[in-house]
Amino acid sequence: DAGVTQSPTHLIKTRGQQVTLRCSPKSGHDTVSWYQQALGQGPQFIFQYYEEEERQRGNFPDRFSGHQFPNYSSELNVNALLLGDSALYLCASSLRFGLAGPDTDTQYFGPGTRLTVL
Amino acid sequence: AQSVTQPDIHITVSEGASLELRCNYSYGATPYLFWYVQSPGQGLQLLLKYFSGDTLVQGIKGFEAEFKRSQSSFNLRKPSVHWSDAAEYFCAVGTFSGGYNKLIFGAGTRLAVHP
Repeated sequence: DAGVTQSPTHLIKTRGQQVTLRCSPKSGHDTVSWYQQALGQGPQFIFQYYEEEERQRGNFPDRFSGHQFPNYSSELNVNALLLGDSALYLCASSLRFGLAGPDTDTQYFGPGTRLTVL
Repeated sequence: AQSVTQPDIHITVSEGASLELRCNYSYGATPYLFWYVQSPGQGLQLLLKYFSGDTLVQGIKGFEAEFKRSQSSFNLRKPSVHWSDAAEYFCAVGTFSGGYNKLIFGAGTRLAVHP
């Protein structure tokens, strides 16, 4: 059973560019969340998708946007990149809160995408 | 506001010694609590979780954690540390809004293990 997968592993961009990161959830999961982890810090919640709609959003600007596809996979887009966007971007999948199952309410993380903005 | 505090930024222990990593949370309702471990350059691996019931929960790799509501704590323990346990450990609280959950993480505790 494949876990959460993310691509690419690493990315190097320059300021002002745009980037798209991709995530495939664990088999059977329907909810995808994205987190940003700056160096030396804990992950911070960006947003969460369920049924192809953004359901929750953290304190991130509109430059950060996302999408969820019918197969539950997801993309994170960041426009007008800033140096401060350099971080490890983590995707997590889960079953929607309240639904039955041992994995309900538990988020499983992918290996992350390391974004460097020069 | 919900928050998680991990008071120890860096801990060093000798292999075979016991370990306790501290975690304090602030959350108005009954918390869902998690411990994750992150090896260098890797994603987060779930060690254990607490939702309800027995306040002492067992996880993978020989770890356990105890939920103490009176102290708003969820400390992680291991009786005998192995060199492979060297990593960064994150405590998190699950918050729920409108049927959707998100995690709030602490800043992490970096564990070093001396041979």
